[in-house]
Amino acid sequence: KQEVTQIPAALSVPEGENLVLNCSFTDSAIYNLQWFRQDPGKGLTSLLLIQSSQREQTSGRLNASLDKSSGRSTLYIAASQPGDSATYLCAVSGNFNKFYFGSGTKLNVKP
Amino acid sequence: GAGVSQTPSNKVTEKGKYVELRCDPISGHTALYWYRQSLGQGPEFLIYFQGTGAADDSGLPNDRFFAVRPEGSVSTLKIQRTERGDSAVYLCASSLTPDRNPYGYTFGSGTRLTVV
Repeated sequence: KQEVTQIPAALSVPEGENLVLNCSFTDSAIYNLQWFRQDPGKGLTSLLLIQSSQREQTSGRLNASLDKSSGRSTLYIAASQPGDSATYLCAVSGNFNKFYFGSGTKLNVKP
Repeated sequence: GAGVSQTPSNKVTEKGKYVELRCDPISGHTALYWYRQSLGQGPEFLIYFQGTGAADDSGLPNDRFFAVRPEGSVSTLKIQRTERGDSAVYLCASSLTPDRNPYGYTFGSGTRLTVV
């Protein structure tokens, strides 16, 4: 069974810092990797999706990379802002889009 | 619709009662998924529908849990004889196609179920 691990579990940084969130997975036979954001008491908002044939995706201040062979992905957030405070979830899927999620990284950006 | 809609947003029920949770996916999305998220954890897969049929129900924890999608759009997750351990956020997601989908998922806001 696919196991997804996210490190760190929690992170607190001052506003303006660049930061990296890590995700690792045990089975490299994936089709998609998707990063989500979850605000307290809310559902999941998709941030970036990387197909297995891709190495990275960028959206604004966010950049996600994928190293499928080593089972790793990173989410880079540039110039962090207090509004970035949320839990960030990494999920990988094989066929049929059945996703396996990590437990998330809870980010707090201090003003 | 414009997004995945889940109702109710919150549900409090007594232990032993029956509950139904509803998911209305994005119009035209053929694949529909149910996940359960416990506090401090990532979502865990419950069941996946392709059209009207349950293509994979391997994540349903036991026979108290059942889900239907009779017309291939709206889905209902049904929980019988609820237990306190069923308390969680139940998330629904839909996608345009099920297999090798380059667009990923769109999630609803979830139903927070509390069993007292």
